[in-house]
Amino acid sequence: EIVLTQSPGTLSLSQGERATLSCRASQSVSSSYLAWYQQKPGQAPTLLIYGTSSRATDIPDRFSGSGSGTDFTLTISRLEPEDFAVYYCQQYGSSPLTFGGGTKVEIK
Amino acid sequence: EVQLVESGGGLIQPGRSLRLSCAVSGFTFDDYAMHWVRQAPGKGLEWVSGVSWNSGSTLYADSVKGRFTISRDSAKNSLYLQMNSLRAEDTALYYCAKSSQYSSSRGHFEYWGQGTPVTVSS
Repeated sequence: EIVLTQSPGTLSLSQGERATLSCRASQSVSSSYLAWYQQKPGQAPTLLIYGTSSRATDIPDRFSGSGSGTDFTLTISRLEPEDFAVYYCQQYGSSPLTFGGGTKVEIK
Repeated sequence: EVQLVESGGGLIQPGRSLRLSCAVSGFTFDDYAMHWVRQAPGKGLEWVSGVSWNSGSTLYADSVKGRFTISRDSAKNSLYLQMNSLRAEDTALYYCAKSSQYSSSRGHFEYWGQGTPVTVSS
């Protein structure tokens, strides 16, 4: 099983700042099958990034993904009020599919 | 518009069974794998199970293997999760999710339902 470790657990930032979220895998994620999801309180998760760096439909370009192998990053270039949420990475290259524990981006 | 609507959750005693349903619309159901993901109260996401487009392949997390069964009905555009021998640790909000691929072992989750809550308690 591929274990995904997200860091930090909580990121306290101000609107307009840059957010950098890390997702580290216990073994290489095949073919960059790595996705990022955003979840706001009381809502279902929504897809942000797939294939490590491809933005999902209607996702603004302030969100970007990068990485390969075992190290992946989600970057939010300038935080907007609606971006304060919990973010999860997921690998879907091998079974069992696994999620990271999440990073909460909160208002400083 | 893609819609996934879960139902069937509720309060159930340990050891009993429950069947969750997910009715889908807005896309060709037969072309995509489908999955169940759960989220315990205040916790993160846990993938539970996936089924390929034609039901030819099913996958399960170790935590539910042998107790849960995933299935789909193309005539009803519906996904199901039969949950047997329920335990307190199965308490969670259960989401169904549409895969981007036909295979159960590939594909990110493009769309999610709003979830149905399951509480296992005596």
